Amino acid sequence: AQSVSQHNHHVILSEAASLELGCNYSYGGTVNLFWYVQYPGQHLQLLLKYFSGDPLVKGIKGFEAEFIKSKFSFNLRKPSVQWSDTAEYFCAVHNNDYKLSFGAGTTVTVRA
Amino acid sequence: DVKVTQSSRYLVKRTGEKVFLECVQDMDHENMFWYRQDPGLGLRLIYFSYDVKMKEKGDIPEGYSVSREKKERFSLILESASTNQTSMYLCASSAGTGIHEQYFGPGTRLTVT
Repeated sequence: AQSVSQHNHHVILSEAASLELGCNYSYGGTVNLFWYVQYPGQHLQLLLKYFSGDPLVKGIKGFEAEFIKSKFSFNLRKPSVQWSDTAEYFCAVHNNDYKLSFGAGTTVTVRA
Repeated sequence: DVKVTQSSRYLVKRTGEKVFLECVQDMDHENMFWYRQDPGLGLRLIYFSYDVKMKEKGDIPEGYSVSREKKERFSLILESASTNQTSMYLCASSAGTGIHEQYFGPGTRLTVT
């Protein structure tokens, strides 16, 4: 079964700091990768996705993620965070069936 | 605009009660999913359905059942609620076969006392 690891449980940083959240998965075949975000009190929503092509993917709100196949990784980055980026972030992996496997999530707290 | 709605935001039930959680999507999506979300565990798939009257077990189906009589509606049933089923329940839907983004509802926070 697919497993997805998110390295950080809780990240606290100041506005304008850079953010990087790690995500690793276990499956060695073709995968499709997602980052979802859940802002306080809101629905889980898609931040960005990778299916194929350029391994550097840009999403909404200035986020980007890089797929490194050799490292089984799909890390999320943002060069300069804002207070409104406070949220929980989930990495998810899809392979060969209908199901998404989610990581445990990383809570990001941005201090104003 | 894409919309997935869930019947309740908050629900409190007693141990042993039968609980129904309803989910409706208005996007004509073929696939629907039920997850539970627990701190430190992320989202875990309970059941999913890729067509009307079809259902497949996810990773943690024990203690749950589902029903999909209409394309737009997917129900999660707890036959006899237990305290360890206290959780946030999320419904999602996605289009067709292959890989598609899943759209999530707002969640139902269920407390079983």
